[in-house]
Amino acid sequence: DIQMTQSPASLSASLGETVTIECLASEDIYSNLAWYQQKPGKSPQLLIYYANSLNDGVPSRFSGSGSGTQYSLKINSLQSEDVSIYFCQQNYDSPFTFGSGTKLEIK
Amino acid sequence: EVQLQQSGPELQRPGASVKLSCKASGYTFTEYYMYWVKQRPKQSLELIGRIDPEDGSTDYVEKFKNKATLTADTSSNTAYMQLSSLTSEDTATYFCARGADGFDYWGQGVMVTVSS
Repeated sequence: DIQMTQSPASLSASLGETVTIECLASEDIYSNLAWYQQKPGKSPQLLIYYANSLNDGVPSRFSGSGSGTQYSLKINSLQSEDVSIYFCQQNYDSPFTFGSGTKLEIK
Repeated sequence: EVQLQQSGPELQRPGASVKLSCKASGYTFTEYYMYWVKQRPKQSLELIGRIDPEDGSTDYVEKFKNKATLTADTSSNTAYMQLSSLTSEDTATYFCARGADGFDYWGQGVMVTVSS
């Protein structure tokens, strides 16, 4: 199975800041990488697919990048509603595996 | 509007089985795989497997092959997951999710608690 190593495990930033979350795949996943946001008590929501494609309705302050084995999610102009846990997922090879998650908090 | 409506919370005894449902609406049920995902309290997400509602074919993650059984009823646009021989390790929230470019729609999740 492809292992997804996500970092950092937790992150605290101020409103208006830019934050970056990273995901490292154990092998090349050819940009088949999705990012999800999960708010407390809710189901995950798709933010980004194919590494850099913004899902419908997702604010443009979210962006994804990367290739090969290294990927990142950037959130510009951090807002209070961005407090969540963020997960990456490779959907290149079955079973589609998730990263361990990054908990984002506001300072 | 695409919706995945899951059944309600379950409290089960160790050794029992439980069948969870996920009713899809707002799209053609047979055109997308349905995935099932497990999330233990304060843990990450773990894929269980997927079903193709068009032909009923399934693909399970190895560790869940003797635990979960996925089925789909195209007459009611409902996907099901049965979990057998429940233990405390099965206490978790279970999500269904539509597979497209990523998992683009998710059910609200169902909490399964296994306790004597």
